[in-house]
Amino acid sequence: EPEVTQTPSHQVTQMGQEVILRCVPISNHLYFYWYRQILGQKVEFLVSFYNNEISEKSEIFDDQFSVERPDGSNFTLKIRSTKLEDSAMYFCASRYTGSGELFFGEGSRLTVL
Amino acid sequence: AQSVSQHNHHVILSEAASLELGCNYSYGGTVNLFWYVQYPGQHLQLLLKYFSGDPLVKGIKGFEAEFIKSKFSFNLRKPSVQWSDTAEYFCAVNKGRDTGRRALTFGSGTRLQVQP
Repeated sequence: EPEVTQTPSHQVTQMGQEVILRCVPISNHLYFYWYRQILGQKVEFLVSFYNNEISEKSEIFDDQFSVERPDGSNFTLKIRSTKLEDSAMYFCASRYTGSGELFFGEGSRLTVL
Repeated sequence: AQSVSQHNHHVILSEAASLELGCNYSYGGTVNLFWYVQYPGQHLQLLLKYFSGDPLVKGIKGFEAEFIKSKFSFNLRKPSVQWSDTAEYFCAVNKGRDTGRRALTFGSGTRLQVQP
């Protein structure tokens, strides 16, 4: 069964460092997303991406965040200068056009010290 | 802005008990509704979804949910839970007919613990 894969599964970084989280969506999907879940809190939408551009973003997704689809398979989330409050589980998701179902990856746990 | 409320934060049941988890949303227009499950250490998986048609939706693993438009609710049910249903359950909503670009808004989740 096709799946969304994410790397790394866990990253520990120092405050102020740049972090790149990587995702490989399901190959024929056209819509890509990042969500995050701070420990003990709800899953929050960060950004959606379609046709090589951001189609929607939340207020969480400020100038410190960026997304990129550098080639035909990877979809990355970059945090330019991490803060303590960026510590969370980050989920990548993708969907095929016309379908409502989001397929989620297993998440990348980011710990900012 | 739309919001999703899950009033039960932690539910403890014995095996074979019936389950109902509440979900209410605030958006008044056309909505698409979802229940996701997150088993310990795993990713979010879709249990069921409602776009239109029969308001009683059947999903995987014996789960069902009923969309009641007048109550802005989409409660999840299962007649008889098993220990393997222990997980966190998330209700989610997105709005409009063009689901592709629309972000999901998640509820805060309900942790279900099934005791053998």
